[in-house]
Amino acid sequence: NAGVTQTPKFQVLKTGQSMTLQCAQDMNHEYMSWYRQDPGMGLRLIHYSVGAGITDQGEVPNGYNVSRSTTEDFPLRLLSAAPSQTSVYFCASSYFGRDRVNEQFFGPGTRLTVL
Amino acid sequence: AQRVTQPEKLLSVFKGAPVELKCNYSYSGSPELFWYVQYSRQRLQLLLRHISRESIKGFTADLNKGETSFHLKKPFAQEEDSAMYYCALSSHSSNTGKLIFGQGTTLQVKP
Repeated sequence: NAGVTQTPKFQVLKTGQSMTLQCAQDMNHEYMSWYRQDPGMGLRLIHYSVGAGITDQGEVPNGYNVSRSTTEDFPLRLLSAAPSQTSVYFCASSYFGRDRVNEQFFGPGTRLTVL
Repeated sequence: AQRVTQPEKLLSVFKGAPVELKCNYSYSGSPELFWYVQYSRQRLQLLLRHISRESIKGFTADLNKGETSFHLKKPFAQEEDSAMYYCALSSHSSNTGKLIFGQGTTLQVKP
């Protein structure tokens, strides 16, 4: 299993440009999430999905869109990039085990710089 | 509101010294607490969870509901323990993958 994969690893954008961060998992997990990691702020949830066709907002959703057309894929779209979106982005997926404990499996991250 | 607080950004200790990374939470329901770790150039991974009551790599953490804390402890730190540690919370009754993370603590173990 490849686990959770993310592309690209690095990206530089100019203010106002749009782009899509890709995330895929091959573990048949129902739940997928996007986080951003900033110094001193920890990981903050952007959007999450509990299954194909179902998405919801997290703590910091503004400026980002998501969709979940398949179980495997959960892309994150930046509509009009701003310098405040410079961050490291992590995608994660999780199962819902018998004991109802959510272990998140994380991707390697995408380091995004917006100039 | 759900919140996880890790008061220390950086904890620096010498090899062999005891380690305690602090985590406090606020949550009105029945929480599930976790510790995640990110070693240099590796992805974030689960270290341990309170419901399992297990010791991983010599680390333990006890959920104290009275003090709303879930501190991570290790009696003798090793250099390979140097990493970023995140405390995280999830609702016990939640059927989503939603986790609330703390700000993270960098543990530096000096030789």
